[in-house]
Amino acid sequence: QVQLVESGGGVVQPGRSLRLSCAASGFSFSSYPMHWVRQAPGKGLEWVAVFSYDGSNKYYADSVKGRFTISRDNSKNTLYLQLNGLRSEDTAVYYCARDGLRGRFGSGSFLDFWGQGTLVTVSS
Amino acid sequence: EIVLTQSPDFQSVTPEEKVTITCRASQSIGSSLHWYQQKPDQSPKLLIKYASQSISGVPSRFSGSGSGTDFTLTIDSLEAEDAATYYCHQSGSLHTFGGGTKVEIK
Repeated sequence: QVQLVESGGGVVQPGRSLRLSCAASGFSFSSYPMHWVRQAPGKGLEWVAVFSYDGSNKYYADSVKGRFTISRDNSKNTLYLQLNGLRSEDTAVYYCARDGLRGRFGSGSFLDFWGQGTLVTVSS
Repeated sequence: EIVLTQSPDFQSVTPEEKVTITCRASQSIGSSLHWYQQKPDQSPKLLIKYASQSISGVPSRFSGSGSGTDFTLTIDSLEAEDAATYYCHQSGSLHTFGGGTKVEIK
């Protein structure tokens, strides 16, 4: 069965960095685009970034562009999110999610499996 | 950026009642609109894809409709286990989520 397990969250001071990981299993990881979505405490969902299955394309939300970097290692079945220049407004649970379109990348996709999330708290 | 506006923000409903949640996009997105259910302390779960396509394992009381800018999620005959927050998600141009609709059981 599909499993996505995030890790790497924690408490970090403003301006510092953190790297999140998402270990995938139960499916052909290298065939699917992957996303990061976050949720601030008591708030709604916010899409953060997407990485194509073949590593050729990545896109970011304006709120994180230039500060966050999405990457993946298909040999390790792992998705990453490097968070730099953290701000208090980045405090959230960060979910990784699988794109539902195998072997494709582009508009129209949906998120068919989600991890349990990892909490990032930015505080001095 | 495409903005999704959900309504209502909150709905208190008795069991067996019908629930209707709407999602309006700031520009046309065709059928690239999907719905998710999130129960407290859980991850979101895909309910409906491409506005109206059902998902395996999701009860048939959940249905979706719409295209272009106006979309609807309907829950026929609400059950206690349906207490959750529901989100729409567009992928017509990058990705954005609606603000969510919390459904409470009376």
